[in-house]
Formats: sequence, structure tokens, C-alpha cells
Amino acid sequence: QQQVKQSPQSLIVQKGGISIINCAYENTAFDYFPWYQQFPGKGPALLIAIRPDVSEKKEGRFTISFNKSAKQFSLHIMDSQPGDSATYFCAASMGGSQGNLIFGKGTKLSVKP
Amino acid sequence: DAGVIQSPRHEVTEMGQEVTLRCKPISGHNSLFWYRQTMMRGLELLIYFNNNVPIDDSGMPEDRFSAKMPNASFSTLKIQPSEPRDSAVYFCASRPGPGDEQYFGPGTRLTVT
Repeated sequence: QQQVKQSPQSLIVQKGGISIINCAYENTAFDYFPWYQQFPGKGPALLIAIRPDVSEKKEGRFTISFNKSAKQFSLHIMDSQPGDSATYFCAASMGGSQGNLIFGKGTKLSVKP
Repeated sequence: DAGVIQSPRHEVTEMGQEVTLRCKPISGHNSLFWYRQTMMRGLELLIYFNNNVPIDDSGMPEDRFSAKMPNASFSTLKIQPSEPRDSAVYFCASRPGPGDEQYFGPGTRLTVT
């Protein structure tokens, strides 16, 4: 049973465009939703995270949109750059950020110059 | 800070052999996590420790897998005997404490032939 479903599996965007990655979850007890960025040969690194008491969080070019009623959240990368090319994972956990993370299967983003 | 250190970075072994993966968490972190990453199943939590004590090992796939944390600065994940389906990238992550983000190591790529 996959508790966090992520789409698309891969995404190609032109430089300067907007990259959008979507995730859906099933367990309404989840209350912490981070996004991780992974470059080849490296471990995942926290990019941005949100809790369900807000509908949007923005950090620089990265924005998380959260829809509690639909049990969905998404990552938007504005003005995408070739350096953003990486695999992005959404995750969810219970009990705040103390809980174990359940990851989506990842989206491989390629930003073309 | 050197970050989470994992060794070896690559391991190639034959089916039936014992494999030991090693992790040194960031100094001062009191939680340690072992993950497995495959194309088919994505990132899966295998086991995590709080203050060197195993808290949840429900993700350990079989009795062939075992993990130890003899002290705050060292952990091992052992597979005995190894099988080709164990081929994956194994990540170790550590966390300063509850409510903090997880910091991932660079991973160990294991190939079992």
C-alpha cells in the first residue's frame, strides 16, 4: 500500500519555466510534509517543508501548495534553472517532524537550457 | 562538519556473502535512520534508533538483515547471507532530535551478483 503517491515520474522543463510536481496522501493523520532534493550520487537533502495549518509556503523560487481537503500537496519551482535538475521526493509523517518519513517514489526533473 | 559518513561507497559481492555497511552520524545527533532506495520501491525506511536504541525495525525486510548501534557515533547494517534482490543504494541519515530535519549520508551502492 503506497501511502504517498507522487507524479509525474519524470519531467522536462525549459529554462525559465515552471516545474510542478504533485503528491497525494491517504492518511489524514499526517501532519508534516517535506520535499527533498537529490542529486546523482548524493543523499536526499531537505528543500522545503509545510504543515497543514497553512495552504502555501514559499522559499525563494520554491513554493509548496497544500490542499488539506483534497489530501494533496505540490511543489512549484519558478524560473527553473539547469542546476535544479535533480530527483525530487515528497514525503509525509505523523507526529510533527519527529515521525518517520514516508516517501513518494520521486520525480526526475530535467531543466533544458 | 563532515556530515553523515557512510562506508563503503560501493560494494560488489557474490550471493551468499555477508555484507556490512557502516555509518557515522553527525556528532550530537541522537537519532539515526537506515533507508534502502530502489527504482521499484523508492526510499524505504528499514530501521531507526533513538539514543542508540532501536525504536522501529518494522521495515527490515527479513531476518537476513540486522542493524546495531553500539555507541552514538557508529552504526552498522548487516546482510547475511546477501541475495541479488538486496542490490540497492542504502542510506544512513541522522537527526539532532525530535522536530528536526534528517540529514542523509551519500549512500552505499550495493550490488549482489
